[in-house]
Amino acid sequence: DAGITQSPRHKVTETGTPVTLRCHQTENHRYMYWYRQDPGHGLRLIHYSYGVKDTDKGEVSDGYSVSRSKTEDFLLTLESATSSQTSVYFCAISESGRGLDGYTFGSGTRLTVV
Amino acid sequence: AQSVAQPEDQVNVAEGNPLTVKCTYSVSGNPYLFWYVQYPNRGLQFLLKYITGDNLVKGSYGFEAEFNKSQTSFHLKKPSALVSDSALYFCAVRTADRGSTLGRLYFGRGTQLTVWP
Repeated sequence: DAGITQSPRHKVTETGTPVTLRCHQTENHRYMYWYRQDPGHGLRLIHYSYGVKDTDKGEVSDGYSVSRSKTEDFLLTLESATSSQTSVYFCAISESGRGLDGYTFGSGTRLTVV
Repeated sequence: AQSVAQPEDQVNVAEGNPLTVKCTYSVSGNPYLFWYVQYPNRGLQFLLKYITGDNLVKGSYGFEAEFNKSQTSFHLKKPSALVSDSALYFCAVRTADRGSTLGRLYFGRGTQLTVWP
């Protein structure tokens, strides 16, 4: 997972609190993605970014917001955490918008909402 | 719409035997296809990809995959399984259509491969 780091690696938070997860890359890639992984659902796209301040929604974006003020950082915020947002969150980066290079994934953040 | 199906949640195979993990896809236009592997408590790692050319693609750790356009399949294979191959495997697809942007990949739900000694 060289070149992409996620923080924190683990977090336990209470229902109703805001939570921010960070994805940091050193590859200078333009495209960044946030996914959540849940048993039986595989990977589902939450939000993605195609440049600084350019973001868009994925298929499960409700309750989440993102920001990208610098090329290297892509933040995912749970505005008011719910138990249904307990999951493992993965960040991914891609150099090409054509997807020829696939993705490079971070190691993930395991979030538990109690 | 683009989608990926991995029809088996689990595949079990004895060490030394050949393994196959199945994947079928649906895209508009020609596909770009990928396989990723996930070990416990790790992120996904790239295994191999099909972009164009030879239908048989070779990747990391002795894995290969065969692209079959008529059957819209991209099954992952290995001639002789190892216990260390036990992991979660994901197939992913995107369209090669130039009208589609952002390189977004669509993932299957994953197949848990267990290789027993």
